[in-house]
Amino acid sequence: DAKTTQPNSMESNEEEPVHLPCNHSTISGTDYIHWYRQLPSQGPEYVIHGLTSNVNNRMASLAIAEDRKSSTLILHRATLRDAAVYYCILRDGGAQKLVFGQGTRLTINP
Amino acid sequence: DSGVTQTPKHLITATGQRVTLRCSPRSGDLSVYWYQQSLDQGLQFLIQYYNGEERAKGNILERFSAQQFPDLHSELNLSSLELGDSALYFCASSVSGYSNQPQHFGDGTRLSIL
Repeated sequence: DAKTTQPNSMESNEEEPVHLPCNHSTISGTDYIHWYRQLPSQGPEYVIHGLTSNVNNRMASLAIAEDRKSSTLILHRATLRDAAVYYCILRDGGAQKLVFGQGTRLTINP
Repeated sequence: DSGVTQTPKHLITATGQRVTLRCSPRSGDLSVYWYQQSLDQGLQFLIQYYNGEERAKGNILERFSAQQFPDLHSELNLSSLELGDSALYFCASSVSGYSNQPQHFGDGTRLSIL
């Protein structure tokens, strides 16, 4: 499984945008970039995924570098509810499973 | 609400015992995954079933087994329990299993071994 690198922790303020980085320099052409988050005392929650182009959904945006070796999850206006551990995961074309790293623990200050 | 239901929410038992964890996937999802989350190992994939058949296996112990039934619900059986089996066990489901599809997780079963 290709590896991702994320900062251990980040902090932001409520109602401000948050940019969560992820490096994946060994990504292959068929790897999808997935983001999940885990709120306290809950199961992981799907956030967004993409292959090459930037993606938007109701929760977040995913910006993928042109060489695909890095990506950024963007929360446009953070709320207290966005405090969670965020996982950046690569899934190749045949992968069934999710391989979770340590993720980034995001703290939101009121 | 992810649509994935796991029961029970909490389970307390003793070493050497056997337990069964149950998972009902989202309506329409054919694939079920089991993950274990412990403090020292993080979230780890155990096993996947697709439409009743085992599709992929991770770091699942021989003392653990799973199955998916014709109605697509799944059960994870843990036997000869040890203290180290104390963890959160999550079930996830997806429409099929391909890498461009998200997995939807339940809220987990917290297993405590005394």
